Amino acid sequence: EPEVTQTPSHQVTQMGQEVILRCVPISNHLYFYWYRQILGQKVEFLVSFYNNEISEKSEIFDDQFSVERPDGSNFTLKIRSTKLEDSAMYFCASSDTGTSGYNEQFFGPGTRLTVL
Amino acid sequence: GDSVTQMEGPVTLSEEAFLTINCTYTATGYPSLFWYVQYPGEGLQLLLKATKADDKGSNKGFEATYRKETTSFHLEKGSVQVSDSAVYFCALTNPSTSGTYKYIFGTGTRLKVLA
Repeated sequence: EPEVTQTPSHQVTQMGQEVILRCVPISNHLYFYWYRQILGQKVEFLVSFYNNEISEKSEIFDDQFSVERPDGSNFTLKIRSTKLEDSAMYFCASSDTGTSGYNEQFFGPGTRLTVL
Repeated sequence: GDSVTQMEGPVTLSEEAFLTINCTYTATGYPSLFWYVQYPGEGLQLLLKATKADDKGSNKGFEATYRKETTSFHLEKGSVQVSDSAVYFCALTNPSTSGTYKYIFGTGTRLKVLA
């Protein structure tokens, strides 16, 4: 069964460093998303991506964040200069076109980012 | 804006006990509602969904009914098993107001089932 994969599973970095979180969505999906969950808090939407551009982003997704689909299979989230408060579990998700007013998103296992 | 509220966990039950995890939502229009489950070390998996009022989603013995009058989507299972131990997330999507299919999640409820 096709699945969304994410690498690495755990990333430890120093404050101020750049990190890139990688995701491989399901191959025929067209919509891509990043979410994050700070420990003990809600899963929060960060950004959605369709047709090679951002379709929506949250207030969290400021200029320090960027997304890219560099090669038609990977979908990356870059944080340019990490802060302590960026420590969280980051989930990637993908979905197909959706025909019923919703579309089921398929999630990866997450990358735990720890900023020291 | 739209939001989802779930009961606090953890919930600890004995095997074969009845499970209810409460979920209420705030949204304009007609959101679609979901329950996702996360087993240890794995990603979020869709458990069930309901796309309109009075719909009942069901899967693996779990059920939830979309109640527009009480803005609720409570998850129930008649007899839990140890293998049901996981974190359960209630979520909604509301493209009629947000313009996209982004999910809005609750905080998640951890369920632990004891043998």
